[in-house]
Amino acid sequence: ILNVEQSPQSLHVQEGDSTNFTCSFPSSNFYALHWYRWETAKSPEALFVMTLNGDEKKKGRISATLNTKEGYSYLYIKGSQPEDSATYLCAFRSGDQKVTFGIGTKLQVIP
Amino acid sequence: DTGVSQNPRHKITKRGQNVTFRCDPISEHNRLYWYRQTLGQGPEFLTYFQNEAQLEKSRLLSDRFSAERPKGSFSTLEIQRTEQGDSAMYLCASSLNTGADTQYFGPGTRLTVL
Repeated sequence: ILNVEQSPQSLHVQEGDSTNFTCSFPSSNFYALHWYRWETAKSPEALFVMTLNGDEKKKGRISATLNTKEGYSYLYIKGSQPEDSATYLCAFRSGDQKVTFGIGTKLQVIP
Repeated sequence: DTGVSQNPRHKITKRGQNVTFRCDPISEHNRLYWYRQTLGQGPEFLTYFQNEAQLEKSRLLSDRFSAERPKGSFSTLEIQRTEQGDSAMYLCASSLNTGADTQYFGPGTRLTVL
């Protein structure tokens, strides 16, 4: 069983604050790291897929970085808005194509 | 195509009954995945198909669980003799099996076993 950990498990921030979460994963047999956003009563939505050490991806106010050598990825949200409230999941894909999800970080943005 | 769809969205059943869920993937996607998610956990991999071939099954998938994708399009997941521990959200995802293989998820089927 692969160990994919996310921290914190939950987070409350004020509207306008910037925030970040961590996903840690095995540093060996890496293939890709995915980030998803999962809003209540909706499907998980793909945010980023990262494959190379040092990758940085950006989508609007959300960005992510990847360090495969030490086995972590950060997701950043700049100027949080209430619509950013969701659970953010990371998923580690190993070289044998197995996908292991973390338990997610539940973000609540308070207006 | 509007994305991955799953039916039903909710299912309540009594212990011991059989249930079947359906997943319709995005039409050009050749990979289809099933996951189970329980409260406080991330999605746990159950099985996946490439076209109609079931390529991998998790040890979580007991012999009461069976999945099919007969024509390489939609898939069904059947649970026989349901137990209360089967209560969970069952998620389906599909992908194109290219590059980093981003999966696109359906809304899930929430199963409650009484």
